[in-house]
Amino acid sequence: DQQVKQNSPSLSVQEGRISILNCDYTNSMFDYFLWYKKYPAEGPTFLISISSIKDKNEDGRFTVFLNKSAKHLSLHIVPSQPGDSAVYFCAASIQGAQKLVFGQGTRLTINP
Amino acid sequence: GAGVSQTPSNKVTEKGKYVELRCDPISGHTALYWYRQSLGQGPEFLIYFQGTGAADDSGLPNDRFFAVRPEGSVSTLKIQRTERGDSAVYLCASSQVRLAAHNEQFFGPGTRLTVL
Repeated sequence: DQQVKQNSPSLSVQEGRISILNCDYTNSMFDYFLWYKKYPAEGPTFLISISSIKDKNEDGRFTVFLNKSAKHLSLHIVPSQPGDSAVYFCAASIQGAQKLVFGQGTRLTINP
Repeated sequence: GAGVSQTPSNKVTEKGKYVELRCDPISGHTALYWYRQSLGQGPEFLIYFQGTGAADDSGLPNDRFFAVRPEGSVSTLKIQRTERGDSAVYLCASSQVRLAAHNEQFFGPGTRLTVL
């Protein structure tokens, strides 16, 4: 039972354009959502998060949007840079439960 | 400052053997987590320690898996009678814990376990 899903295994975007990564979830108890970025042979690194009481959170080039009614969130990266090429994981958690539930990941490639 | 470290970085073992994987969390982090990442999948939760005690071990797949954190710092994940299906990258993370808040988890580079 995959509670957090990233349906696109890969995405290719031209440098300077917008990258949009999508994530869907099924558990309505989730109240906090995070995006992690992972380079090969490294652990995931935290990128940005959003609480369920908000619908948008912005940090520099990164913006996360949350649509609770659709149980959908997305990560926008603009403008995309070659260093953004990595695997991106969406994760969710429930207040009081420390564990994170991850999606399968999307490999983003930024082409020069 | 130093991040989360994990040793060894790679471990190759034979089916049926016993393995131990070590995690050194960020100094001062009271919470420690173990996850397992299989090929093509996201990290999957195994166990969470708050201090020395396992606060949530609901992700351990069976009784061949066990983890300890005797002094509230370093943790060891132990796998008995390894099976080929145990092959994965085992990730450790740590965080500070603030009550009634979500806490950012900092991950180590992982230990790649291969069971032949």
